[in-house]
Amino acid sequence: AQRVTQPEKLLSVFKGAPVELKCNYSYSGSPELFWYVQYSRQRLQLLLRHISRESIKGFTADLNKGETSFHLKKPFAQEEDSAMYYCALIFGNEKLTFGTGTRLTIIP
Amino acid sequence: GAGVSQSPSNKVTEKGKDVELRCDPISGHTALYWYRQSLGQGLEFLIYFQGNSAPDKSGLPSDRFSAERTGGSVSTLTIQRTQQEDSAVYLCASSPERGWETQYFGPGTRLLVL
Repeated sequence: AQRVTQPEKLLSVFKGAPVELKCNYSYSGSPELFWYVQYSRQRLQLLLRHISRESIKGFTADLNKGETSFHLKKPFAQEEDSAMYYCALIFGNEKLTFGTGTRLTIIP
Repeated sequence: GAGVSQSPSNKVTEKGKDVELRCDPISGHTALYWYRQSLGQGLEFLIYFQGNSAPDKSGLPSDRFSAERTGGSVSTLTIQRTQQEDSAVYLCASSPERGWETQYFGPGTRLLVL
């Protein structure tokens, strides 16, 4: 069965420092991977998806098939990055599977 | 166009009562998901509707939980004989034809069971 693991429930980073939110998955095929974000008092929304290979709000995520990881990174954290981040995986027409989330707090 | 809407936005109920939560997906979206979001539990999948296929109910935590989707559009999540541990935010999301498309989330219904 497909599974997504986000090992850190909470992560605090100083403003201006690099950010890395970890995501590991277990699936033998080639899944599609996503990062979703929920800012305070806002809806959960898509941040970025693997297939697009784009950088959103300075965040990037590279799929590492060898390590089965899809870590989310940003070189310089900003206060507005404080939010709840969820990694998610889907394969074929299966349902989207979310990790348990990481709450990121940027310390001014 | 309008996004996913959910009603009510907040619901307070007494233990043992039944509640119904409603989700209006984006028009034309055939996939609809229900999730539960609670402290310490992250985002918990409940049920998934895709077109006319039988729903995937594998995430429903007990037989007190059920959901329907009428006419391939509006969905209702029903919780019978509510318990205090049912208190959470219930999120609905919809996506276009295929499940791997971006999901669009509603604002959620915050349920508090006293």
